[in-house]
Amino acid sequence: NAGVTQTPKFRVLKTGQSMTLLCAQDMNHEYMYWYRQDPGMGLRLIHYSVGEGTTAKGEVPDGYNVSRLKKQNFLLGLESAAPSQTSVYFCASSLGSGGYEQYFGPGTRLTVT
Amino acid sequence: GQNIDQPTEMTATEGAIVQINCTYQTSGFNGLFWYQQHAGEAPTFLSYNVLDGLEEKGRFSSFLSRSKGYSYLLLKELQMKDSASYLCAVREGETGANNLFFGTGTRLTVIP
Repeated sequence: NAGVTQTPKFRVLKTGQSMTLLCAQDMNHEYMYWYRQDPGMGLRLIHYSVGEGTTAKGEVPDGYNVSRLKKQNFLLGLESAAPSQTSVYFCASSLGSGGYEQYFGPGTRLTVT
Repeated sequence: GQNIDQPTEMTATEGAIVQINCTYQTSGFNGLFWYQQHAGEAPTFLSYNVLDGLEEKGRFSSFLSRSKGYSYLLLKELQMKDSASYLCAVREGETGANNLFFGTGTRLTVIP
């Protein structure tokens, strides 16, 4: 099993450009999450999904949109990138809520100039 | 809301024991996780506590006191490969998604 995979691994955008980050998991997990990690800030939840076709806002959702059209995929979109969105983005998935651990993807390093 | 505090950096010697503390204030506590994150890599799960007490897993143990809003991660027989950041994360709420709120992490350096 590949676990959680993310594409791309690195990306440089100019301010105002758009892009989509793709997350895929092959563990048949119901729950999926997008985080961003910034120095001195820790991981912060952007959006999450508790099942196919459902999404919800997390702690820092502004400037991002998501879609979960298929159970195994969770897409994160930036419609008009800003330098403040320069970060490392991690996708994660879990079997359920409660004590289930979250499995993280390898991350996408995004720089917005 | 949440307020999760852990030391920014710690240094310990190979073969020794180190304790990494985490204190939290949250409105609806429902579990605490510890993750390990090597530089440039993804976080990986270490432990989960929801009841008071100690959970032991090989060289790693984690303790929780809900009444004190306090947890620690204990690493024994330190190895060089244990040099990493250790993230404390609190789960809030009794229902819904397994949403976690993370502390800023403790960067542990193991020296020979």
